[in-house]
Amino acid sequence: EDQVTQSPEALRLQEGESSSLNCSYTVSGLRGLFWYRQDPGKGPEFLFTLYSAGEEKEKERLKATLTKKESFLHITAPKPEDSATYLCAVQDMKTSYDKVIFGPGTSLSVIP
Amino acid sequence: NAGVTQTPKFQVLKTGQSMTLQCAQDMNHNSMYWYRQDPGMGLRLIYYSASEGTTDKGEVPNGYNVSRLNKREFSLRLESAAPSQTSVYFCASSEASGGGKNIQYFGAGTRLSVL
Repeated sequence: EDQVTQSPEALRLQEGESSSLNCSYTVSGLRGLFWYRQDPGKGPEFLFTLYSAGEEKEKERLKATLTKKESFLHITAPKPEDSATYLCAVQDMKTSYDKVIFGPGTSLSVIP
Repeated sequence: NAGVTQTPKFQVLKTGQSMTLQCAQDMNHNSMYWYRQDPGMGLRLIYYSASEGTTDKGEVPNGYNVSRLNKREFSLRLESAAPSQTSVYFCASSEASGGGKNIQYFGAGTRLSVL
């Protein structure tokens, strides 16, 4: 059965303190792995898609990487405005429709 | 750019009442989705529509019905609300259908409380 887990559940960083969020997944065949950002009271907002092991994507202070079993979202020198919940999702190549499985998320707080 | 619009933003119901959550997208997307989000459980798919006139059950469909009215609109109906349906509901849309790579765009959510 497809499964997505994320760790840690919550992370508190000082401004400028770099760290990484983890997303571990189990699927029959990976069609794509997605990272979303969700601010309080809002819907998730798309950040990145990764399709194959070894792939990397960057956007400002965020960098997403992918292996065969997990993905990392690296946050370099974070700022308070990076505080949000970060969701990981995977799409299985073998499902009959465009099903995406979401993980529970990591809540990031960046303290000034 | 409106994107995905959901109404209402907040709703309080009594057990047994019915209501319809509305969703519309202006991106000409084929696929639309309804999710619920509960603390610690992530987003769970309720129903999905790959195109106008088609709908499929997701992970947690019991107690819900949907209608894909046209390409733009996808509504979610609670026929007899239960306290277990207290949640935040999100509508999403994507260009992909039939196995394509599925970047989803979300509305702002409907916060529903069932007393």
